[in-house]
Amino acid sequence: DIQMTQSPSSLSASVGDRVTITCRASQGINNYLAWFQQKPGKAPKSLIYAASSLQSGVPLKFSGSGSGTDFTLTISSLQPEDFATYYCQQYYSYPFTFGQGTRLEIK
Amino acid sequence: EVQLVESGGGLVQPGGSLRLSCGASGFTFSSWALSWVRQAPGKGLEWVSHIGGSVGSTYYADSVKGRCTISRDNSKNTLYLKINSLRAEDTAVYYCAKEGGYNYGAIDSWGQGTLVTVSS
Repeated sequence: DIQMTQSPSSLSASVGDRVTITCRASQGINNYLAWFQQKPGKAPKSLIYAASSLQSGVPLKFSGSGSGTDFTLTISSLQPEDFATYYCQQYYSYPFTFGQGTRLEIK
Repeated sequence: EVQLVESGGGLVQPGGSLRLSCGASGFTFSSWALSWVRQAPGKGLEWVSHIGGSVGSTYYADSVKGRCTISRDNSKNTLYLKINSLRAEDTAVYYCAKEGGYNYGAIDSWGQGTLVTVSS
């Protein structure tokens, strides 16, 4: 199975900051990488697919990059609604594994 | 607008069985792959199972393999997950999700989830 490791596990930032979350795959996954946002008590929301393509309706403040084993999610100009937990997931091979999550908190 | 509505969750005794359903609307159901993803209380997301579009291939996480069956009824626009021999560690919110491809793809839409509690 492919292991997905996110860093950091938690992150404190202020409104207006720019933050980057990293996701590393235990083996190459080309660009078969997605990012999701989840707020407490809510279903996840899909943000990015194919490592860097935004899902419909997702604001341009979210951006993704990477290929192979190393990927990043960057959120610019943080707003209160962006504070949430973020997950990456590989869909290169079964089982389609998730990272453990990165909790983004307000400083 | 894509809508996915799960049902069938509840309290089940260890060793019991449950069938979850996910009713879909807003897209051509048979043309898209679908997944189940679960989340134990206070934990992260765990991929559970996948089924391809139409009569698609099925795949399972090791944690449920042999105890779970994913299926779909394209005439009813409904996805199912049957779980047998339920264990305490199966306690979770179960989400159905639409993937962005016929055979497979990144998840692009999620249901609201249904809670399964395994306890005596």
